[in-house]
Amino acid sequence: QSALTQPPSASGSPGQSVAISCTGTSSDVGGYNYVSWYQQHPGKAPKLMISEVSKRPSGVPDRFSGSKSGNTASLTVSGLQADDEADYYCSSYAGTNNLVFGGGTKLTVL
Amino acid sequence: EVQLVESGGGLVQPGGSLRLSCAASGFTFGSGWMTWVRQAPGKGLEWVANIIQDGSEKYYVDFVTGRFTISRDNAKNSLYLQMNSLRAEDTAVYYCARHSWHALDVWGQGTTVIVSS
Repeated sequence: QSALTQPPSASGSPGQSVAISCTGTSSDVGGYNYVSWYQQHPGKAPKLMISEVSKRPSGVPDRFSGSKSGNTASLTVSGLQADDEADYYCSSYAGTNNLVFGGGTKLTVL
Repeated sequence: EVQLVESGGGLVQPGGSLRLSCAASGFTFGSGWMTWVRQAPGKGLEWVANIIQDGSEKYYVDFVTGRFTISRDNAKNSLYLQMNSLRAEDTAVYYCARHSWHALDVWGQGTTVIVSS
């Protein structure tokens, strides 16, 4: 049950796009289409932004999109806004009804 | 309004026990899986345990197996986490979450557990 690998930080200017990667193994990210992404503002609970690799829950702006290739999933945030500045975590189903999270990426809007 | 509210956190000595509760409202609690996730101070999210709809199957991360027990009471719309043999490294904010197709789509506000002498 090793954590998924995310870059510790990412940044972009308002209006730009930024991609955050999430690398696992064939036992988690690569083996299932159950990758999720969560946004967490300081002192707040996480919020689901993407499920099942690329599905957006109701209310999540279409500026947020997800994809996967092999053992690496990605979250892309387009048209960056100030409120997008937050920590982002990926998670994946890891078999045997277990979940595994990434270490988190701090997104800074410059 | 769909809502989860955790309670039961606090300060406990190493080796002690604590029982966390999570009250659900605004959705059919008994129809879905539930999950506990924790976040140590300044650290990332960490999955702790899952429980299926009727409570007959439970799954745990390795480092809590044998010490923590997840349970639910569907009649009371409540989820629980019994934590025994607590260690300093169990200090964290504990979140309950609704689990849907291996995504956590509703989260509580969290309850803080501090293990210290």
